[in-house]
Amino acid sequence: IVLTQSPGTLSLSPGERATLSCTASQSVTSNYLTWYQQKPGQAPRLLISGTSSRATGIPDRFSGSGSGTDFTLTISRLEPEDFAVYYCQQSSTFGQGTRLEIK
Amino acid sequence: EVQLVESGGGLVQPGGSLRLSCAASGFTFSRYWMDWVRQAPGKGLEWVANIAQDGSAKYYADSVKGRFTISRDNAENSLYLQMNSLRAEDSAVYYCARVLLGSGGDELDRWGQGTLVTVST
Repeated sequence: IVLTQSPGTLSLSPGERATLSCTASQSVTSNYLTWYQQKPGQAPRLLISGTSSRATGIPDRFSGSGSGTDFTLTISRLEPEDFAVYYCQQSSTFGQGTRLEIK
Repeated sequence: EVQLVESGGGLVQPGGSLRLSCAASGFTFSRYWMDWVRQAPGKGLEWVANIAQDGSAKYYADSVKGRFTISRDNAENSLYLQMNSLRAEDSAVYYCARVLLGSGGDELDRWGQGTLVTVST
């Protein structure tokens, strides 16, 4: 399976809404699509598991959706600490990442 | 508090070997699948290997199969990655990570801080 994330880089301002996409080359098993956030110099952090379940401590401005081959991570109102790289994952495959940068 | 602390990284020549360790604390280590994930400098995440709770099942990325061996010692709450025949393209930060309990998709809910492996002359 190949996971393709788009866009590669997303430039937005705090307070705006961010929509990140992850497209799989074949249907994702039981919708086990996962999202991580990674900031410079830090390990990745689990955001969303099972397509739409927020991990412990993750603010509700983060939401995940999708099914089959098309999945989305939405950040409803960007906070300064949300600017980072986001990865989707299905089993042993990671997407290449989307860099969310401040406009 | 859940903690995963990797060690054992460093500079090694091509063709050499290195053994990474990951010390786990703050949770019942023997209940969890565990993974190794790596990240080359400036690049994305690459899954390397994982191991079942009792070590009975192990899986590897094609890129490391036959060269790397994952293992664990539940009595010592430790995870290991033996890396042989190292290549320049194995240079990366190596993370150990815990698989979410009950996960069917290798979702990783805790990560260590990583240890850097550099393969170079």
